[in-house]
Amino acid sequence: QVQLQESGPGLVKPSGTLSLTCAVSGGSISSSNWWSWVRQPPGKGLEWIGEIYHSGSTNYNPSLKSRVTISVDKSKNQFSLKLSSVTAADTAVYYCAREVVAATRNWFDPWGQGTLVTVSS
Amino acid sequence: DIQMTQSPSSLSASVGDRVTITCRASQSISSYLNWYQQKPGKAPKLLIYAASSLQSGVPSRFSGSGSGTDFTLTISSLQPEDFATYYCQQSYSTRPFTFGPGTKVDIK
Repeated sequence: QVQLQESGPGLVKPSGTLSLTCAVSGGSISSSNWWSWVRQPPGKGLEWIGEIYHSGSTNYNPSLKSRVTISVDKSKNQFSLKLSSVTAADTAVYYCAREVVAATRNWFDPWGQGTLVTVSS
Repeated sequence: DIQMTQSPSSLSASVGDRVTITCRASQSISSYLNWYQQKPGKAPKLLIYAASSLQSGVPSRFSGSGSGTDFTLTISSLQPEDFATYYCQQSYSTRPFTFGPGTKVDIK
């Protein structure tokens, strides 16, 4: 079964760039799925950041679009998130998730365990 | 963006109770609606997709219904492991995907 694992620095300085990687195991990132990033500030709800297909096609949340880049590395079976110009408001648990698409419907399953990124000097 | 609301924001219930959570979309989303369960410190887990389809491995006491703008998640007989926060999420065609604010179910 497919499993996802996030990795990356847990602490990023204000105005810096947050960089995370999601390693996919148990399946190919080149399958007919999209791959998404979702974040959750401490004690708050879920926010979709963006998605990528193995071809490199991406869609981003307009609220973050100017600062977000999602990329894919098929050779390593992983995809990555970069968020620039971070502030304390970007402190959150960041999840990666497989986005299943069936009959034009999409849902997230499974999810990675999540990684907390704190923005602080 | 399509806005999602949930009610109630929290509820207290006892083991064995029937629990109903409502989710409403700011515009019609047909059946492009999913439900997730999240326990403290854990990632969300898919329960229901396409409004009423039960994800494999999820107990049959969970069910979903609705179409258009109004949706419901029902737990027919609440079990101790069901105490968690529940989120709805719309996947209608135009991005971004959006989630409801969550409903926390705790022990009465």
